[in-house]
Amino acid sequence: GQSLEQPSEVTAVEGAIVQINCTYQTSGFYGLSWYQQHDGGAPTFLSYNALDGLEETGRFSSFLSRSDSYGYLLLQELQMKDSASYFCAVSPGNRDDKIIFGKGTRLHILP
Amino acid sequence: KAGVTQTPRYLIKTRGQQVTLSCSPISGHRSVSWYQQTPGQGLQFLFEYFSETQRNKGNFPGRFSGRQFSNSRSEMNVSTLELGDSALYLCASSLAGSEQFFGPGTRLTVL
Repeated sequence: GQSLEQPSEVTAVEGAIVQINCTYQTSGFYGLSWYQQHDGGAPTFLSYNALDGLEETGRFSSFLSRSDSYGYLLLQELQMKDSASYFCAVSPGNRDDKIIFGKGTRLHILP
Repeated sequence: KAGVTQTPRYLIKTRGQQVTLSCSPISGHRSVSWYQQTPGQGLQFLFEYFSETQRNKGNFPGRFSGRQFSNSRSEMNVSTLELGDSALYLCASSLAGSEQFFGPGTRLTVL
């Protein structure tokens, strides 16, 4: 089968750094994406990694290791507005294949 | 450019009824995907349409069906509703496959 594993919840302090991990087991791999979803809102795209390494976009960075079937989302200088659920998603085959989402990580931020 | 729109936003039905949900993608996007979201289960892929053809399908019973029109608008139909169909149904459109743009969702409650 195909599966993505990510922690169900993570708690961090405002101003700190937090890392949300994602491991995947899929029949193929095209790329790893991250989405953010606030309560009552729709998921919004954060980042995409197709190659190994780190992609940085402002306070958010995403990392991919294809050999380890592993990636993570790094959030720096945490703000209260970053409290949300974060989903990793894998395109398992070619770019036209369906995207598989993890169950999401709920990020709690303490003042 | 207008985002993805979904109608209706909220819906209450009773068991055994059927329902049709509508999604209008971002202009120029030919791919439309549908997801079911329930607490603790993340985003479950239902199906994807591209240029009026179903390109991918998730593991849902045949009661769930969809279609796409020539203007890329898509509809999703659920027949013989069950209590377990209560969920947030999200539609997402994409241009190149890797980045999905989500609509606000339709909250379906089955009584």
